[in-house]
Amino acid sequence: TQLLEQSPQFLSIQEGENLTVYCNSSSVFSSLQWYRQEPGEGPVLLVTVVTGGEVKKLKRLTFQFGDARKDSSLHITAAQPGDTGLYLCAGGGYQKVTFGTGTKLQVIP
Amino acid sequence: DAGVIQSPRHEVTEMGQEVTLRCKLISGHNSLFWYRQTMMRGLELLIYFNNNVPIDDSGMPEDRFSAKMPNASFSTLKIQPSEPRDSAVYFCASSLPSGTRNEQFFGPGTRLTVL
Repeated sequence: TQLLEQSPQFLSIQEGENLTVYCNSSSVFSSLQWYRQEPGEGPVLLVTVVTGGEVKKLKRLTFQFGDARKDSSLHITAAQPGDTGLYLCAGGGYQKVTFGTGTKLQVIP
Repeated sequence: DAGVIQSPRHEVTEMGQEVTLRCKLISGHNSLFWYRQTMMRGLELLIYFNNNVPIDDSGMPEDRFSAKMPNASFSTLKIQPSEPRDSAVYFCASSLPSGTRNEQFFGPGTRLTVL
């Protein structure tokens, strides 16, 4: 069974601060996605990375896939209250993905 | 385009009753996934279908759970009989055929409470 561990589990920061969320596994994934889930809604896809070492930017969010395709990080610059939510990484294999344990982020105005 | 549609959004039932959750895929998507989310266990894959065929049901907790996909756009997840420990938010998600990218689009979920 492929497991994805995310850290930290919970994070509460002030508006304007920077933060990094980590997603780690002992397994190699062919792709990795990051999702954000807001209360009462389903997860929404933010990004997919497929190449080891790949870096993608989405406004203030920077996603990196590890060189060995076993881990990933999400860095948020100058966090805003609208960034509050549950962040989930998901490792892709053939046809299905394995979801991480999640990081619950709260950005305080 | 409408996203993934789930119904009902909320379901409260008593232990022992049958519960049926419904999901409509995004048009053109051919893979369908049912998940369960709880605080304790996070997001768990229950079963997934590809082209209406169940591929992996190893996540289905026990025989009380069953899922069907009678056509390319619709699926049901049935719990019979329901138990309090089944209380959770149930999501379905659909995806395009994409090899290993597996980008999934989730519905809003059904919050199930079994009393």
